[in-house]
Amino acid sequence: GDSVTQMEGPVTLSEEAFLTINCTYTATGYPSLFWYVQYPGEGLQLLLKATKADDKGSNKGFEATYRKETTSFHLEKGSVQVSDSAVYFCALSDQGGSEKLVFGKGTKLTVNP
Amino acid sequence: SAVISQKPSRDICQRGTSLTIQCQVDSQVTMMFWYRQQPGQSLTLIATANQGSEATYESGFVIDKFPISRPNLTFSTLTVSNMSPEDSSIYLCSAGTDYSYEQYFGPGTRLTVT
Repeated sequence: GDSVTQMEGPVTLSEEAFLTINCTYTATGYPSLFWYVQYPGEGLQLLLKATKADDKGSNKGFEATYRKETTSFHLEKGSVQVSDSAVYFCALSDQGGSEKLVFGKGTKLTVNP
Repeated sequence: SAVISQKPSRDICQRGTSLTIQCQVDSQVTMMFWYRQQPGQSLTLIATANQGSEATYESGFVIDKFPISRPNLTFSTLTVSNMSPEDSSIYLCSAGTDYSYEQYFGPGTRLTVT
């Protein structure tokens, strides 16, 4: 079945450092890919998405590119802030995104001032 | 977008009892789902809540343990039955539409079973 493998954390960075969180997937079809974020004490929020190969999703300075050849969707940010401290989940949906989601295990990011 | 509320936000329950969690969406949605997030773990889909018919359960989850109702396009309930400490988790409701790639999540219900 479909699966998502995500870089295990926790990840600790200093403010303004470069962030990469790796995510690879296995799917039988052509999935849509997502990054969700869960801030401390809050619910899950969609951070960005890509629905087809070579699409780049971006939001709040975060980017991820849908790479079909490497089945990857790595999350990047050029300069992290303390407010980016959260748990990040990579996810896929086999039928577009409003269908059920398969999540990776999550990566906890802590950014220190 | 859709705003999702859940009740209760948290509860502490005794072993052997049942708890019903409510999920309300502020607009009509096509799809509603229930997920479980065990402590320090990722989200696992329990079932898809189907309007007017039986829910579709994922492997490892059964209706007797997690009965689900969805009487209309904006409301669903999940019951955790005959609870044990292993059921201690955060339970999340989510919703989406046929025409959007986005799925919206509720704030979750934190359940502790003693």
